[in-house]
Amino acid sequence: EVQLLESGGGLIQPGGSLRLSCAASGFSFSSYAMSWVRQVPGEGLEWVSGMNYNGGRIYYADSVKGRFTISRDNSKNTLYLQMDNLSAEDTAIYYCVKDYNAQVRSIPLDYWGQGTLVTISS
Amino acid sequence: DIVMTQTPLSSPVTLGQPASISCRSSQSLIHSDGNTYLSWLHQRPGQPPRPLIYKISNRFSGVPDRFSGSGAGTDFTLTISRVEAEDVGVYYCVQATEFPRTFGQGTKVEIK
Repeated sequence: EVQLLESGGGLIQPGGSLRLSCAASGFSFSSYAMSWVRQVPGEGLEWVSGMNYNGGRIYYADSVKGRFTISRDNSKNTLYLQMDNLSAEDTAIYYCVKDYNAQVRSIPLDYWGQGTLVTISS
Repeated sequence: DIVMTQTPLSSPVTLGQPASISCRSSQSLIHSDGNTYLSWLHQRPGQPPRPLIYKISNRFSGVPDRFSGSGAGTDFTLTISRVEAEDVGVYYCVQATEFPRTFGQGTKVEIK
C-alpha cells in the first residue's frame, strides 16, 4: 500500500524557515518523480515544486522560486521541502504527491499524503 | 505555463440527475510519450484530494462507474451520470503533461 506521510508543519513567524518531510512507502520511491502541492484552506490547489527520480531535474512555481528548495534522499525514501523567508501568503496545507515514472509511463499524481499545515503568523 | 480553465465554478445539482464539468487547457496536453496526462480529482472538506480519473477517461480503482471522463487535445469533460449525496465537494482538473503541473480553479458541486 502506498503511503505518504508529511511532517514538519507548524506555526512560524514571517521571515522564518521550516523544513517539511515526506516519508514514502509502498512503492519504489527512487524511481518516481515527486511533487509538493499546497492549498490555502478554503481555496484551490497550487503546485509548488517537483523533482525527478534522482534529483537531476527540479522545478518550482514562480511564487516560491528562490525561497523554497526541494530535495530527496532515496536511501531514506524521503522527500523534503526547505522553505525560507516565509510570508503570510505561504500559509497553507502542504501535500506530498507521488508523481511520474518515465520508464514505466506511470500515472502522475496518483497518491496524495494527508498534508501538513504551515501557518505563518506573528 | 499551461493554464487550466474549469467551468462552471459552481454546480447545484439534483440528486439522481447528471452533472458535467468542463476543463480547457491553454495548449495541447499530449505528452512526448503519446499519452495525455489529464486527471480529475475530488475533494471533500477536510480531506486531501482523491484522484478519480487519469489520462482523460480512466477511472482509478474503487471509483464508481457513474464517473466518466472524456475529451481530447485541449477540451475535457468530467461527467457524473447520476449524482449521489457523497459526490458533493470540489472537483479539480490537473495536467501532468509538463512541469509546472497546473490545476483548474475547482468546481464546487452541491445538492439543490
